[in-house]
Amino acid sequence: GAGVSQSPSNKVTEKGKDVELRCDPISGHTALYWYRQSLGQGLEFLIYFQGNSAPDKSGLPSDRFSAERTGGSVSTLTIQRTQQEDSAVYLCASSLVFGGGETQYFGPGTRLLVL
Amino acid sequence: GQNIDQPTEMTATEGAIVQINCTYQTSGFNGLFWYQQHAGEAPTFLSYNVLDGLEEKGRFSSFLSRSKGYSYLLLKELQMKDSASYLCAVPRGGSYIPTFGRGTSLIVHP
Repeated sequence: GAGVSQSPSNKVTEKGKDVELRCDPISGHTALYWYRQSLGQGLEFLIYFQGNSAPDKSGLPSDRFSAERTGGSVSTLTIQRTQQEDSAVYLCASSLVFGGGETQYFGPGTRLLVL
Repeated sequence: GQNIDQPTEMTATEGAIVQINCTYQTSGFNGLFWYQQHAGEAPTFLSYNVLDGLEEKGRFSSFLSRSKGYSYLLLKELQMKDSASYLCAVPRGGSYIPTFGRGTSLIVHP
């Protein structure tokens, strides 16, 4: 079956522009997570969704970052007024439900480069 | 808070055994994950431990000691394709959101 997909796979943008990253989770997975990974760094948690609601937004780095999920499926992560420090790989993951021990299945990521 | 420590890099020989350690500090324990991440690819799930002891899964085994805040991933009969980063992750206390360590880059050479 289809795994988690993300688009675009690569994005180059100019400082100050807005970008929108998309994640399609595995069908039927109710939990969806966004992480980012900078070069040589671990995965940094950004936000997660249970259904369409986001109970924990504490990982979002600033108010320039926002995310939404509609229909319990597709999610978009929006970065407004991008800065060079936003350059990273943005990874999306989904799990069947949100709970202890639930395996997260990761998408291939979107590589964002802000010039 | 959350603190996860693992070695930055390890090297090993094809066919050998390697043990990758992870120590953690958390205010509440909801299990420990190991993920494998090949360069340029997404992490993939390897194991989940919530009880003390060793869990074996083919060439890979994972061990947990909750009292010591310690886990290790044991890789046997190493193959070149095992060269990857191995990420230890522990859900934040009171939640199920995994906090990831920086990963251990394993290099397997002939």
